[in-house]
Amino acid sequence: DAGITQSPRHKVTETGTPVTLRCHQTENHRYMYWYRQDPGHGLRLIHYSYGVKDTDKGEVSDGYSVSRSKTEDFLLTLESATSSQTSVYFCAISEVQGVRSGNTIYFGEGSWLTVV
Amino acid sequence: AQSVAQPEDQVNVAEGNPLTVKCTYSVSGNPYLFWYVQYPNRGLQFLLKYITGDNLVKGSYGFEAEFNKSQTSFHLKKPSALVSDSALYFCAVRVEGGATNKLIFGTGTLLAVQP
Repeated sequence: DAGITQSPRHKVTETGTPVTLRCHQTENHRYMYWYRQDPGHGLRLIHYSYGVKDTDKGEVSDGYSVSRSKTEDFLLTLESATSSQTSVYFCAISEVQGVRSGNTIYFGEGSWLTVV
Repeated sequence: AQSVAQPEDQVNVAEGNPLTVKCTYSVSGNPYLFWYVQYPNRGLQFLLKYITGDNLVKGSYGFEAEFNKSQTSFHLKKPSALVSDSALYFCAVRVEGGATNKLIFGTGTLLAVQP
């Protein structure tokens, strides 16, 4: 298993509260990602990082922010949680291995978030 | 825009029979294609990938996938299904040379193998 730890693994929170999910990696990989998984949508990219303090938006970034102050940590913050953000959140990592290597992405075990 | 389609929400197969999980893609450029498997309440596990070369790619747990450029497909196959193969399977694509190193995922296919 790739050295990826997500915390918390399960959380229930109230609408309007801020929530932060943490992803910690021990692989020293350059790229880190946050995806959300919802039935009928597969996995959708929220934000990603291509280095310390270098982040960019994915396809479903509204309502989310991220920070990466160290190579090993990538934080996802829901600024004011809504019921539509109830989902399973996956952190993933990838290294740049060369143009023709494919740069496989490896996933963490997921964080189940329920917004009530 | 890049996209991946998995036309079947669920595939049912009897144990011991061959299985196929379908995937088609749309990209502008040479694709990098991936298959992942997800067991209940777990993260995604990498199965195999196609980058270049031989169109038949072999991966973990006896799975293989065939890249067909003319049909823009990358179907996942296994000669003899096991009950333990029952899981959710995702196909994903990235364009060669893409600066952002991102994967685009299909919606997933649930594989159910009956004993």
